[in-house]
Amino acid sequence: DAGVIQSPRHEVTEMGQEVTLRCKPISGHDYLFWYRQTMMRGLELLIYFNNNVPIDDSGMPEDRFSAKMPNASFSTLKIQPSEPRDSAVYFCASSRFNEQFFGPGTRLTVL
Amino acid sequence: AQSVTQPDIHITVSEGASLELRCNYSYGATPYLFWYVQSPGQGLQLLLKYFSGDTLVQGIKGFEAEFKRSQSSFNLRKPSVHWSDAAEYFCALTSGGGADGLTFGKGTHLIIQP
Repeated sequence: DAGVIQSPRHEVTEMGQEVTLRCKPISGHDYLFWYRQTMMRGLELLIYFNNNVPIDDSGMPEDRFSAKMPNASFSTLKIQPSEPRDSAVYFCASSRFNEQFFGPGTRLTVL
Repeated sequence: AQSVTQPDIHITVSEGASLELRCNYSYGATPYLFWYVQSPGQGLQLLLKYFSGDTLVQGIKGFEAEFKRSQSSFNLRKPSVHWSDAAEYFCALTSGGGADGLTFGKGTHLIIQP
């Protein structure tokens, strides 16, 4: 298996623009997680899905953030409008039987 | 609320020397515990995990960790480090059910001296 795939790997955008991050989980995994990594706050859970259904979105910072999982092989994390403080590395992870496998991350820079 | 503490932000070790990275957790029951490693610009790779049973767990790359319930600790060890072990190390926990997101420590940056 190719592992968890994330795109794009790098994204540079201007404040106020919409940003969409994409994730393809490992086939057969029934959980999908979105995390954010910053120097100040470390690694934080944003939201996770089980069988494509959002289970806990309490980590989503505010209404500007939204996530969807339309099917078992695809998820998106959208930020609209983006702000400079959203600059971070965003990781997607998938799991089955409790062990989470992480993607390479998307480095987002909002100018 | 659950939490993970990694007391050491940076650790410097000579190549060939032994290593111990500390991790303490706060959780009301026995958690599922993990150690991940992150190389610069890379994602996180799982080194080892503890769910139950034997409190000394073996992982990849020669790492091991010991779960000590009385000390709420899950320290990572390696008998002899290699220059390629230089990276950021994260301790993490999830609830006993395991089907939750991970709570991470702030990480320990490992520097290897030649």
